[in-house]
Amino acid sequence: DAKTTQPPSMDCAEGRAANLPCNHSTISGNEYVYWYRQIHSQGPQYIIHGLKNNETNEMASLIITEDRKSSTLILPHATLRDTAVYYCIVRVEGATNKLIFGTGTLLAVQP
Amino acid sequence: NAGVTQTPKFQVLKTGQSMTLQCAQDMNHEYMSWYRQDPGMGLRLIHYSVGAGITDQGEVPNGYNVSRSTTEDFPLRLLSAAPSQTSVYFCASRQGLRGYTFGSGTRLTVV
Repeated sequence: DAKTTQPPSMDCAEGRAANLPCNHSTISGNEYVYWYRQIHSQGPQYIIHGLKNNETNEMASLIITEDRKSSTLILPHATLRDTAVYYCIVRVEGATNKLIFGTGTLLAVQP
Repeated sequence: NAGVTQTPKFQVLKTGQSMTLQCAQDMNHEYMSWYRQDPGMGLRLIHYSVGAGITDQGEVPNGYNVSRSTTEDFPLRLLSAAPSQTSVYFCASRQGLRGYTFGSGTRLTVV
């Protein structure tokens, strides 16, 4: 699975959009981009995933660059409850289905 | 639909004791896995299973055993607990391309 690079921390004002970047320059054509978050002391929570096209669901939007070497997770209207560590993971869908976490980005939403 | 249920939520063991961390899911997911998370670090994969009767090692399998006799259950066994195994343990399951569902964790302290 490709390696990802994320900033260790970011701040965002409550009510504003939070844009979390992720670099995955060695991504392969069959690797998906997944985003999870972990609120303090809780289990990780799946947010969204995509292969090539931009994706949107009730939680967030995922923007993947045309060359697929980077992506951005967008929380359109951040709230204090969105304060968490956000993990960007790229992986191939295969029989082993392993999920390898990095250290993620700590997003602090400020009032 | 309870999702992924982990028991116990908290446990204190003495060095050398054995115990089993329980994990059960009611979503008929084929894939299940165990992670550990040490303070300030991301999650590390211990063992995983792609279906009943099939298990394999992750990144940090030493000191842990698993079995998968049913689709629903995936217990993690510590045969002889060591202080280095003090951690928070998360169980997760998934089906197909959907995101993983994580349990709420077991906080284990080995003294």
